[in-house]
Amino acid sequence: AQSVTQLDSQVPVFEEAPVELRCNYSSSVSVYLFWYVQYPNQGLQLLLKYLSGSTLVKGINGFEAEFNKSQTSFHLRKPSVHISDTAEYFCAVSRPSNTGKLIFGQGTTLQVKP
Amino acid sequence: GAGVSQSPSNKVTEKGKDVELRCDPISGHTALYWYRQRLGQGLEFLIYFQGNSAPDKSGLPSDRFSAERTGESVSTLTIQRTQQEDSAVYLCASSLVGGEQFFGPGTRLTVL
Repeated sequence: AQSVTQLDSQVPVFEEAPVELRCNYSSSVSVYLFWYVQYPNQGLQLLLKYLSGSTLVKGINGFEAEFNKSQTSFHLRKPSVHISDTAEYFCAVSRPSNTGKLIFGQGTTLQVKP
Repeated sequence: GAGVSQSPSNKVTEKGKDVELRCDPISGHTALYWYRQRLGQGLEFLIYFQGNSAPDKSGLPSDRFSAERTGESVSTLTIQRTQQEDSAVYLCASSLVGGEQFFGPGTRLTVL
């Protein structure tokens, strides 16, 4: 069975600073990897995904993530955050041959301060 | 509509009552998922529908939970004899087969 661990429940950061949100997964088979964002009072929105190919994937709003198979990690990064990036971020995995159901981490709250 | 819609947006019920939550997927999306998000936790998969295939019910936490979908349209999630631990946000998502899941705004269920 797959599982996802988001190592930080809350990440406070000042505006224009870089940020990294950490995600580790466990799986005995290959997986697809996702990052979702949930802005206050809004539904989940896909930020980016890794299916295959280049291990560095770029998403919306200037975010990027790197798939590291040896460390089973998929950390999310942004070089300079904005106040509007304040939100809950969820890492998720799914199995390529499965129904597409997502296994989520517990989420990381990114708090961007002025 | 342009996105996934869910109703009601909020539901408060008393312990022991039955509740029914509704999801309207994006038109043309053959896959539909239900997830649950309890306070301070990540989303938990509940059930998956794909066309006329048998649903994947592996995530349903107990036999008090059931869901139906008519063809490729509306789905309803029913919780019988609700308990306080059922309090959560229930999220629905739809997708094309193998495609990106688009999430609805959720139904916040509070069991008193």
